[in-house]
Amino acid sequence: SQKIEQNSEALNIQEGKTATLTCNYTNYSPAYLQWYRQDPGRGPVFLLLIRENEKEKRKERLKVTFDTTLKQSLFHITASQPADSATYLCALGLNDYKLSFGAGTTVTVRA
Amino acid sequence: SAVISQKPSRDICQRGTSLTIQCQVDSQVTMMFWYRQQPGQSLTLIATANQGSEATYESGFVIDKFPISRPNLTFSTLTVSNMSPEDSSIYLCSVEVGDISPDTQYFGPGTRLTVL
Repeated sequence: SQKIEQNSEALNIQEGKTATLTCNYTNYSPAYLQWYRQDPGRGPVFLLLIRENEKEKRKERLKVTFDTTLKQSLFHITASQPADSATYLCALGLNDYKLSFGAGTTVTVRA
Repeated sequence: SAVISQKPSRDICQRGTSLTIQCQVDSQVTMMFWYRQQPGQSLTLIATANQGSEATYESGFVIDKFPISRPNLTFSTLTVSNMSPEDSSIYLCSVEVGDISPDTQYFGPGTRLTVL
């Protein structure tokens, strides 16, 4: 069966450190993978998209890697700040505009 | 970009009743989606609603339980019919705009539904 798995536990890190989140999938052949941020009581907000033929994407302090052989994406938040505290969702896309989401990883950055 | 509003933001309903959730977008969009997010779980796509055609439902979701309307390019409704406590969830609508990157979606704030 198809499955998307993100870090099973919440991530607690010190301000200034790098947070690394994982997204593993099975029985999917995604054309692209997206990362979203979700704050309590709000809808997800798009952060980054990486396509199957891309290895790495960066946006400011965010970096995403995509390894279609390992069926894994890593999401890095460098120089983390308390404002980065949120739940981060990975989503797989199949070129039909529909997204399949992981359950998310909650990140807490301590000042 | 797209700004999406949903009404109501939350509601508490009795078993057996129905609730209609509204989704309004500030620009015309072709593709709208309805998701459900149960506590501690991922977003699950309920259906895709394109203007001018019948909604397309995902496996496990049926029109009789979740009827959808899409009367124009800026508005959609999702009705949760004959509700049971298992329908307690957050319901979100989203749209695909394609301005930042193709296939990215903008989400509404969600409707938190509690069924007693």
